[in-house]
Amino acid sequence: SQTIHQWPATLVQPVGSPLSLECTVEGTSNPNLYWYRQAAGRGLQLLFYSVGIGQISSEVPQNLSASRPQDRQFILSSKKLLLSDSGFYLCAWREMIDTQYFGPGTRLTVL
Amino acid sequence: SQKIEQNSEALNIQEGKTATLTCNYTNYSPAYLQWYRQDPGRGPVFLLLIRENEKEKRKERLKVTFDTTLKQSLFHITASQPADSATYLCALPLGGSQGNLIFGKGTKLSVKP
Repeated sequence: SQTIHQWPATLVQPVGSPLSLECTVEGTSNPNLYWYRQAAGRGLQLLFYSVGIGQISSEVPQNLSASRPQDRQFILSSKKLLLSDSGFYLCAWREMIDTQYFGPGTRLTVL
Repeated sequence: SQKIEQNSEALNIQEGKTATLTCNYTNYSPAYLQWYRQDPGRGPVFLLLIRENEKEKRKERLKVTFDTTLKQSLFHITASQPADSATYLCALPLGGSQGNLIFGKGTKLSVKP
């Protein structure tokens, strides 16, 4: 069966520091992968999606970037974090019928 | 642009009653609609998908309706239990081959014993 992992689970970073969040999927090949952010009191915001290795589409202009170095690995990065980057970051993969399966999430607090 | 609204941020009901959550959308004709459950500090979990040609779908104590004329979906939990307390999200496809979804902000359901 398919499994999706995210790490770290929680992260506290100072403003201006870099960021790297990792997501890996097991048990499926060539999945569509997604990064979402969920800020307090707000809905899920799609940040990036990827349909294959090296193929990244950005939905929202910001200081975040994403990369997909391997088929089942999706990385979210930033060179300099802002206070507004705080939130709950979720990685997801898509099954054939467009259902999305989410990872456990990373709680990021920028101070 | 497409807009999706879950017009109740929170819903409090008594155990044993039926919870009814609403999802409305505009500027849109989706081929299907999905419902997810999210517990605090966890990722959303897929519950049900209903297609545009289906009026109603059931899964155990869950029932979803889809009215494409009203542009509305209703999500019912019958015989609700405290363990049903969570935030419920509806989601619609944005179209295209990428399978991207747009999510509502969710309704937080609290079932009191």
